[in-house]
Amino acid sequence: GAVVSQHPSWVICKSGTSVKIECRSLDFQATTMFWYRQFPKQSLMLMATSNEGSKATYEQGVEKDKFLINHASLTLSTLTVTSAHPEDSSFYICSARKGTDQPQHFGDGTRLSIL
Amino acid sequence: QKEVEQDPGPLSVPEGAIVSLNCTYSNSAFQYFMWYRQYSRKGPELLMYTYSSGNKEDGRFTAQVDKSSKYISLFIRDSQPSDSATYLCAPGGGTASKLTFGTGTRLQVTL
Repeated sequence: GAVVSQHPSWVICKSGTSVKIECRSLDFQATTMFWYRQFPKQSLMLMATSNEGSKATYEQGVEKDKFLINHASLTLSTLTVTSAHPEDSSFYICSARKGTDQPQHFGDGTRLSIL
Repeated sequence: QKEVEQDPGPLSVPEGAIVSLNCTYSNSAFQYFMWYRQYSRKGPELLMYTYSSGNKEDGRFTAQVDKSSKYISLFIRDSQPSDSATYLCAPGGGTASKLTFGTGTRLQVTL
């Protein structure tokens, strides 16, 4: 149990376009979902925490107008990178958990390349 | 000082060896402790999850937590080449209720 699916796994797009990444909990209801960013050979950096039905909480230094997060249901959260530029190229990973103090389960990540 | 410190490695061991991976943390509010394994270009996979000080065993893996010294360990017995990955410690809890990841230790198990 506790499977998290992330889509797409890899996307390449032109500078200036917007990209949407989906994160779904397949076999459990996730009260909270998290979005991380990871650069090569570095650890995960938390971008935002998303609770179903409420606005996401962004970490310091993360632009909320740049990285739009929607958590419309207990099984789906989306991250939209708006007007993406080459410096936004990275590995984006979501996670989901059933409740407070429960472990986070991760998706397989989305590799975003902006040309 | 970082909240979670972890030796980045790489750590290279022969197949069958016992591996010891370690982590220290500074925030005494942390209440639960996770170990994740991450293969290249994949998301982290939960290996171990514990609340309290002491040992927790699951197959070849043993997690050890010492809250008094803020030190956590993961032991892998009979290591296999398929264990080659980056291991991330992630304590969490307290008022923030989110995980804080170490930098990860890269493990290479050789034949």
